[in-house]
Amino acid sequence: RKEVEQDPGPFNVPEGATVAFNCTYSNSASQSFFWYRQDCRKEPKLLMSVYSSGNEDGRFTAQLNRASQYISLLIRDSKLSDSATYLCVVYSGGGADGLTFGKGTHLIIQP
Amino acid sequence: NAGVTQTPKFQVLKTGQSMTLQCAQDMNHEYMSWYRQDPGMGLRLIHYSVGAGITDQGEVPNGYNVSRSTTEDFPLRLLSAAPSQTSVYFCASSYSMASGLSYEQYFGPGTRLTVT
Repeated sequence: RKEVEQDPGPFNVPEGATVAFNCTYSNSASQSFFWYRQDCRKEPKLLMSVYSSGNEDGRFTAQLNRASQYISLLIRDSKLSDSATYLCVVYSGGGADGLTFGKGTHLIIQP
Repeated sequence: NAGVTQTPKFQVLKTGQSMTLQCAQDMNHEYMSWYRQDPGMGLRLIHYSVGAGITDQGEVPNGYNVSRSTTEDFPLRLLSAAPSQTSVYFCASSYSMASGLSYEQYFGPGTRLTVT
């Protein structure tokens, strides 16, 4: 069974701080990796894809470590609006049933 | 574009009742999927479709039926509702699953279903 593991949190972080969380995956053949953001009682939305070389989008940086089978998300200068649940998603091929969603990490930014 | 729409937003059913959750997308996406999300669990795939007329089972298909007669619509039918089907149901679509950049799933706003 494909597994994607995340620390559920919550991570309580003061506004302006830097926060990072990881996600581990069990299937070494996994092909693509993503971070989704889900606000309370809303649908998940794609935050960013994770590329092998790592990638940055404004205050957000995603990294992939294939050797240790984990991906990470770093948020710099955190804002109150970053409060959400962050879902790690791994694609292992084979179509829609190749997507595995982590249970999410709950982040609370405090003023 | 409206994106992915779902109706109803909320529904309460009694055990044994049947109903259909509606999902529609206007992005001409090939792939459509139904997920359920329960507290403490990740999104779990119920059924999916790779195009009109083609459907397949996901991880938790029991108690649900789907059909895909058009590219736009992908309804989910609960045959005989059970309390274990109390959940939030999300419909999603994506352009395709043929290459990495097209894996982005666009989710509808969800249907919150309670079965008593």
